[in-house]
Amino acid sequence: SQTIHQWPATLVQPVGSPLSLECTVEGTSNPNLYWYRQAAGRGLQLLFYSVGIGQISSEVPQNLSASRPQDRQFILSSKKLLLSDSGFYLCAWSGQSTNEKLFFGSGTQLSVL
Amino acid sequence: GEDVEQSLFLSVREGDSSVINCTYTDSSSTYLYWYKQEPGAGLQLLTYIFSNMDMKQDQRLTVLLNKKDKHLSLRIADTQTGDSAIYFCAESPGGYNKLIFGAGTRLAVHP
Repeated sequence: SQTIHQWPATLVQPVGSPLSLECTVEGTSNPNLYWYRQAAGRGLQLLFYSVGIGQISSEVPQNLSASRPQDRQFILSSKKLLLSDSGFYLCAWSGQSTNEKLFFGSGTQLSVL
Repeated sequence: GEDVEQSLFLSVREGDSSVINCTYTDSSSTYLYWYKQEPGAGLQLLTYIFSNMDMKQDQRLTVLLNKKDKHLSLRIADTQTGDSAIYFCAESPGGYNKLIFGAGTRLAVHP
């Protein structure tokens, strides 16, 4: 069966520090991968998605970047965190076919102080 | 444009039925989804409905879809305290896998 792992679960970082959140998927190959952010009291906003190694699409302009160095690895990064980067970050995967369901990781709560 | 709207909060008594409503904008969405998020956790796919269906029932869950009004609802029968969570409605505009989520409805179940 397929599983998705996301870490760390909680992270507290100072403003201006770098960020690296990692997500890996097991039990499937060539998945679509996604990074979503959930700001406090708000819905989910799609940040990045990837349909293959090295292929990244950004949905909103921001202080973050994403990379996919391996088929089942998706990394969310920042060189210098802002206060506004605080939120709950969720990684997700789906199959490649149209209208595949999304399966989410357990999330990372990021607090930038 | 793409927009999914939900009421933010719903409070029900244990044993009663809960109805969570959602409106969406993109009529090309082939599937519409309900996800559940428990405190501090990721989202769990609860159920989904194909756009050519009016209703889908899965145990205590009933999904109703009104395509004309672009209205989706989730009914939970015999609501339990374990149903307390945030429920997200999502559409898949243009047939892509990039889901558009609503802000979520926080369901509180009290004795």
